[in-house]
Amino acid sequence: DSGVTQTPKHLITATGQRVTLRCSPRSGDLSVYWYQQSLDQGLQFLIQYYNGEERAKGNILERFSAQQFPDLHSELNLSSLELGDSALYFCASSPREGLYHKNIQYFGAGTRLSVL
Amino acid sequence: QQQVKQSPQSLIVQKGGISIINCAYENTAFDYFPWYQQFPGKGPALLIAIRPDVSEKKEGRFTISFNKSAKQFSLHIMDSQPGDSATYFCAATRDNYGQNFVFGPGTRLSVLP
Repeated sequence: DSGVTQTPKHLITATGQRVTLRCSPRSGDLSVYWYQQSLDQGLQFLIQYYNGEERAKGNILERFSAQQFPDLHSELNLSSLELGDSALYFCASSPREGLYHKNIQYFGAGTRLSVL
Repeated sequence: QQQVKQSPQSLIVQKGGISIINCAYENTAFDYFPWYQQFPGKGPALLIAIRPDVSEKKEGRFTISFNKSAKQFSLHIMDSQPGDSATYFCAATRDNYGQNFVFGPGTRLSVLP
């Protein structure tokens, strides 16, 4: 168990809808990262927050947004969903900002999103 | 330049054999190379990592070999076990403040009993 909690585990919704994925980082971790994993695209970095502030953006669509709250949990909002948004969404956390050999990233078990 | 290439896509090895997964990168600014192991239904977990100031790092049955001039690195799993069956991802980043990982596409390893 990595200590990173993601809810829900599975989500089934229809095209055009909006969903919210939730992540609770490991106790004491200040950084939260969101990734999308699909069969054809592999593991893609979406966005990173550190202590409530956005720090880095990757391949995140404009229809997607995220935030990190004062209690350090984070939510990823996906709107106007399309069939191609079906994927596994992972959250990871690390103690500090940045990714380096002393700042290990721990992944949650993921949320499987199916858009029908 | 941000890509990390990984091969093979899938690998089948007999129990006790050696599993070898290769990765190559383009960006010479990358200086931290972790490998992640992912079991079905789980998130990736850090397995072993290397920085380019060494050519090899070993942790138990897992070894990373690093060739800076060729911009290649590989994961060797000695005495492969059925419990090693998982998907393995290599990744690369600048070992610095505020950078983020570029992941390889993954290798699905199956170790036959």
